[in-house]
Amino acid sequence: GAVVSQHPSWVICKSGTSVKIECRSLDFQATTMFWYRQFPKQSLMLMATSNEGSKATYEQGVEKDKFLINHASLTLSTLTVTSAHPEDSSFYICSAGREVRTDTQYFGPGTRLTVL
Amino acid sequence: GQNIDQPTEMTATEGAIVQINCTYQTSGFNGLFWYQQHAGEAPTFLSYNVLDGLEEKGRFSSFLSRSKGYSYLLLKELQMKDSASYLCAVSKGQAGTALIFGKGTTLSVSS
Repeated sequence: GAVVSQHPSWVICKSGTSVKIECRSLDFQATTMFWYRQFPKQSLMLMATSNEGSKATYEQGVEKDKFLINHASLTLSTLTVTSAHPEDSSFYICSAGREVRTDTQYFGPGTRLTVL
Repeated sequence: GQNIDQPTEMTATEGAIVQINCTYQTSGFNGLFWYQQHAGEAPTFLSYNVLDGLEEKGRFSSFLSRSKGYSYLLLKELQMKDSASYLCAVSKGQAGTALIFGKGTTLSVSS
């Protein structure tokens, strides 16, 4: 199957700092990537849709100035959590689709963010 | 609005068969997915149904009825490693559209 990587796999930071998470499609090009957030024992909640070469589309309730998304190339999207606070602590997962016909998405391994 | 419902928890024993149901109500439909997620890991793709009927893939099968807004994931010959959360997700649009996930069903397999 398709391979999607994320870096870092986990990060601990102090409140008020910014954290950048990278999502890469390793063996295919992805025009669109998705960023999800998952709190403990909860399902995945879509945060935003990252489009290569254009602005990301954010879901209702997600602050675009706090969660900066940059889709610089067909294989890389980054999510920057600015001025992180403890309530931002979560599991952040990206996904990318490669098939044209279906929406099968392949997920990265996730990034565990802990804000102290 | 959109709504995807699945049971919160299920338990079963090794070697048994378990069926995880999912009902959905969405404003559009372009297929239903099942993902498996182990604790602390990202979801892995299990199956995709866009037409009515049963899709079989080894020990796992998935069924879809579009008229009823209903799907199930069938797991046969359960193994301990099948203990995980199973996520039902619906695609509303064309390729490139994000998925809408249910809350997941935590399956516990005991010996």
